[in-house]
Amino acid sequence: GNSVTQMEGPVTLSEEAFLTINCTYTATGYPSLFWYVQYPGEGLQLLLKATKADDKGSNKGFEATYRKETTSFHLEKGSVQVSDSAVYFCALSEGTGNQFYFGTGTSLTVIP
Amino acid sequence: GAGVSQSPRYKVAKRGQDVALRCDPISGHVSLFWYQQALGQGPEFLTYFQNEAQLDKSGLPSDRFFAERPEGSVSTLKIQRTQQEDSAVYLCASSPRIYEQYFGPGTRLTVT
Repeated sequence: GNSVTQMEGPVTLSEEAFLTINCTYTATGYPSLFWYVQYPGEGLQLLLKATKADDKGSNKGFEATYRKETTSFHLEKGSVQVSDSAVYFCALSEGTGNQFYFGTGTSLTVIP
Repeated sequence: GAGVSQSPRYKVAKRGQDVALRCDPISGHVSLFWYQQALGQGPEFLTYFQNEAQLDKSGLPSDRFFAERPEGSVSTLKIQRTQQEDSAVYLCASSPRIYEQYFGPGTRLTVT
């Protein structure tokens, strides 16, 4: 079956630190991969996506590369800001895109 | 423009009561999804509509859960005879095209 495993949080970093949030997946076919972000009090928002192996998704300084050989889609940012404090969810979807499978979320707090 | 809205934002129900949760998608979005998010977990797929047709309801946890979208726009998720394990945040997302979802803020249901 399909599933997503992400590193457990919470993660606390100082401003301008490097961020990595690990995500690995299990899928029966060839999924598309996503990172969603949920800021306090708001709904989930798509942060970035990659639809095939070796694709790199990027947005707002965040990047993730679809690695089929390691079934991974780790989220990285070179220099985090206080405004990046949020919960980050890794997700996959395959086939017709009618179903999404989410990880449990990783809470990030960035301190000044 | 207006995003996905959900109402009520918070609902407290006594065990055994019926509840109805409403989702107003973004105008023109063909697809609509419902998810259940338990505390500390990622969203879990419940059901999917394309226009008024419910194409996938494989995630509904029991026959107490029922969803409809009669005119292909507003959707209602109904839970009959609520149980404590139904306590969660219920998320609605609408989508104009494959892999692109816009989430509402969710309805937090607490069953006492």
